[in-house]
Amino acid sequence: SQTIHQWPATLVQPVGSPLSLECTVEGTSNPNLYWYRQAAGRGLQLLFYSVGIGQISSEVPQNLSASRPQDRQFILSSKKLLLSDSGFYLCAWSLQGDQPQHFGDGTRLSIL
Amino acid sequence: AQSVTQLGSHVSVSEGALVLLRCNYSSSVPPYLFWYVQYPNQGLQLLLKYTTGATLVKGINGFEAEFKKSETSFHLTKPSAHMSDAAEYFCAVNRGSSNTGKLIFGQGTTLQVKP
Repeated sequence: SQTIHQWPATLVQPVGSPLSLECTVEGTSNPNLYWYRQAAGRGLQLLFYSVGIGQISSEVPQNLSASRPQDRQFILSSKKLLLSDSGFYLCAWSLQGDQPQHFGDGTRLSIL
Repeated sequence: AQSVTQLGSHVSVSEGALVLLRCNYSSSVPPYLFWYVQYPNQGLQLLLKYTTGATLVKGINGFEAEFKKSETSFHLTKPSAHMSDAAEYFCAVNRGSSNTGKLIFGQGTTLQVKP
């Protein structure tokens, strides 16, 4: 069966520090991958998605970037974090376009 | 463009009462529709999905939803609420023919279950 792993579960970072969140999927190949941010009390905002290695699409201009160095690995990064980057970050995967997305357990990011 | 509207950001029911969470969508192509549940500090879990075929779909934890094309709705119901159903619920739509699998989510509805 397929599984998705996200780490770390929680992270506290100072303003201006770099960020790297990692997501890996097991048990499938060539998945679509997604990064979402969920601000407190708000819905999900799609940040990036990828339909293949090295293929990244950005949904909103922001202080973040994403990379997909391997088929089942998706990384969310920032060179300098802002206070507004705080939130709950979720990674997800899906197969064909008509299939549901499956989510990781999320990373709670707090910026001080 | 597709969109999803969840009517009511907060819904409160008594334990044992009917749960009804409303979702309306807008889509220029046949939609694929999903309901997800999110417990505090966790990811989203798929409750049920509608792609094609039977318009009444059954999901996990006793939930079901009915696709009504004429009303552009996909409301989520459960006959009898349980305390463990307290969570946030998200409705989402997908343009099924798209290779990207991108979902458009509603803003979510928080379900409170009172004893």
